[in-house]
Amino acid sequence: GAVVSQHPSRVICKSGTSVKIECRSLDFQATTMFWYRQFPKQSLMLMATSNEGSKATYEQGVEKDKFLINHASLTLSTLTVTSAHPEDSSFYICSASGTALPYEQYFGPGTRLTVT
Amino acid sequence: QQQVKQSPQSLIVQKGGISIINCAYENTAFDYFPWYQQFPGKGPALLIAIRPDVSEKKEGRFTISFNKSAKQFSLHIMDSQPGDSATYFCAASTNYGGATNKLIFGTGTLLAVQP
Repeated sequence: GAVVSQHPSRVICKSGTSVKIECRSLDFQATTMFWYRQFPKQSLMLMATSNEGSKATYEQGVEKDKFLINHASLTLSTLTVTSAHPEDSSFYICSASGTALPYEQYFGPGTRLTVT
Repeated sequence: QQQVKQSPQSLIVQKGGISIINCAYENTAFDYFPWYQQFPGKGPALLIAIRPDVSEKKEGRFTISFNKSAKQFSLHIMDSQPGDSATYFCAASTNYGGATNKLIFGTGTLLAVQP
């Protein structure tokens, strides 16, 4: 149980374009979803927290107009990187928690974004 | 005060040995302490977690030891295997039972188990 998927697993896009990453909870209802980015050999950095049907809460220093987060249902959240630049290249990981075990976060497999 | 300090940064252990990773925190409001295992190119996977009302939790070869007064907790991997080679992250959060608990991650420990 508690499986989280992400799509795509890898994406390459040109500078200036936008890319959307999907995060789905497959076998539970995710009341809260989190988006992280991780640079090579570094820890996870929380970007934002979203509750279903509400606006996302962004961490300090994260541009909300650049990283658009939508959590429209209890099983799907999306992260759209707008006007991507090479410095946005990173490993993006989502996690989800549900009402049954709200303190546990289950992570997706991650999406490797490369901006050329 | 929101930081979680993790050590060592890297660790080499012989097969069959014990791997020990330590974490320390300052925020006494933290009430949930999970450990995650991450393989290269993959997302973190929850390994084991503990709450501060117990001093130790064991699941298979993995044990968390928790010292509330010292504000420290550690992961012990018994009989370490080459398949355990991965990066391990400790984490901490508050608002146990709440819907928006944020995890504060340690810096990670790269474990290599030599055959």
